[in-house]
Amino acid sequence: ETGVTQTPRHLVMGMTNKKSLKCEQHLGHNAMYWYKQSAKKPLELMFVYSLEERVENNSVPSRFSPECPNSSHLFLHLHTLQPEDSALYLCASSQGAGVVVSEQYFGPGTRLTVT
Amino acid sequence: GENVEQHPSTLSVQEGDSAVIKCTYSDSASNYFPWYKQELGKGPQLIIDIRSNVGEKKDQRIAVTLNKTAKHFSLHITETQPEDSAVYFCAATPGRDSSYKLIFGSGTRLLVRP
Repeated sequence: ETGVTQTPRHLVMGMTNKKSLKCEQHLGHNAMYWYKQSAKKPLELMFVYSLEERVENNSVPSRFSPECPNSSHLFLHLHTLQPEDSALYLCASSQGAGVVVSEQYFGPGTRLTVT
Repeated sequence: GENVEQHPSTLSVQEGDSAVIKCTYSDSASNYFPWYKQELGKGPQLIIDIRSNVGEKKDQRIAVTLNKTAKHFSLHITETQPEDSAVYFCAATPGRDSSYKLIFGSGTRLLVRP
């Protein structure tokens, strides 16, 4: 595997379910990101991890819970979601999250449908 | 905070013609401006970027220009091909803090007609 991978690619869940999205980067990067992409809206940054520490929580509801066990893996735990949470969830990574901005590389995304 | 506006929202060109997509930003301290291409069923792919100390950058058929005074930057695609059809996003990084943060435009759907 190369680049940034995400699993599953598609997920349908009920509002009472608990599920997790997984992201893995094979680029040796130190920073990882979760974005939400909804129809007709710009990409929204949700969370940022740098060296496994969360450095950004962009006012995301607590029903979304991120986890970064190491610099290569990032999870997004989902529980009690709402239909408006249906979207494409994208993971990205970059070399660092420091003073000098570095390029972000995206995975293919998980298409989430909440019924 | 930073705000990025992108135009047009849709663009249709004949194969071989040029395509231009424009973005404006609000934070004069912004210093990094990437462009992403997103094909159906895929994540955004970085195609070119420019930093605030450069006015223009080219990579084969793709070029980006930056006008810091006017706070706008543009993507130019020459000799368009059907495989250029996709959604293109511009982004800007706020300069003062959060150097990792990308603020995205709303996207341009480009259709190249054979």
